[in-house]
Amino acid sequence: EPEVTQTPSHQVTQMGQEVILRCVPISNHLYFYWYRQILGQKVEFLVSFYNNEISEKSEIFDDQFSVERPDGSNFTLKIRSTKLEDSAMYFCATTSAYNEQFFGPGTRLTVL
Amino acid sequence: AQKITQTQPGMFVQEKEAVTLDCTYDTSDQSYGLFWYKQPSSGEMIFLIYQGSYDEQNATEGRYSLNFQKARKSANLVISASQLGDSAMYFCAMRRPSGSARQLTFGSGTQLTVLP
Repeated sequence: EPEVTQTPSHQVTQMGQEVILRCVPISNHLYFYWYRQILGQKVEFLVSFYNNEISEKSEIFDDQFSVERPDGSNFTLKIRSTKLEDSAMYFCATTSAYNEQFFGPGTRLTVL
Repeated sequence: AQKITQTQPGMFVQEKEAVTLDCTYDTSDQSYGLFWYKQPSSGEMIFLIYQGSYDEQNATEGRYSLNFQKARKSANLVISASQLGDSAMYFCAMRRPSGSARQLTFGSGTQLTVLP
């Protein structure tokens, strides 16, 4: 069964450093998303990506965040200068034109 | 704006019993989708079941069924014959209609514990 993969599974970084979280979507899917889940809280939408551009973003997704699909397969989330409050689980999700939204296993980001 | 409310932060159920997890939603869209996801302690998000707003029948997937009451704006998840492996956090989510970015809005979740 096809699945979304994410790397790394866990990233530890110092405050102020840049991090790049990577996702490989399911190959025929058209819509890509990043979500964030702070420990013990609900899952929050960050950004959606369709047709090689951002289609929608939440207020969380400020200028410190960016997304791109550099090589037509990977889908990345970059945080330019990490803050303590960026510590969370980051999920990539993808969907075709149909119903189910497939989630990757997540990357746990810890900012020290 | 869309909103999902899960009023049960924690639920307990005896193994082999059925349990209902509540979810209410608020939206001005006529077309929308409702989802339930399971998040075990390992952290991944596992899709369980989907209900479209225009679907006339309640969705079912194995031991999972969705009790969809459109007029009451509720989409409760029913798990029949609970198993120890069902112990997890359960999230209800709503998706905006086609033509939008289709992202999900999640509720705060319900922690289900199945007792032996």
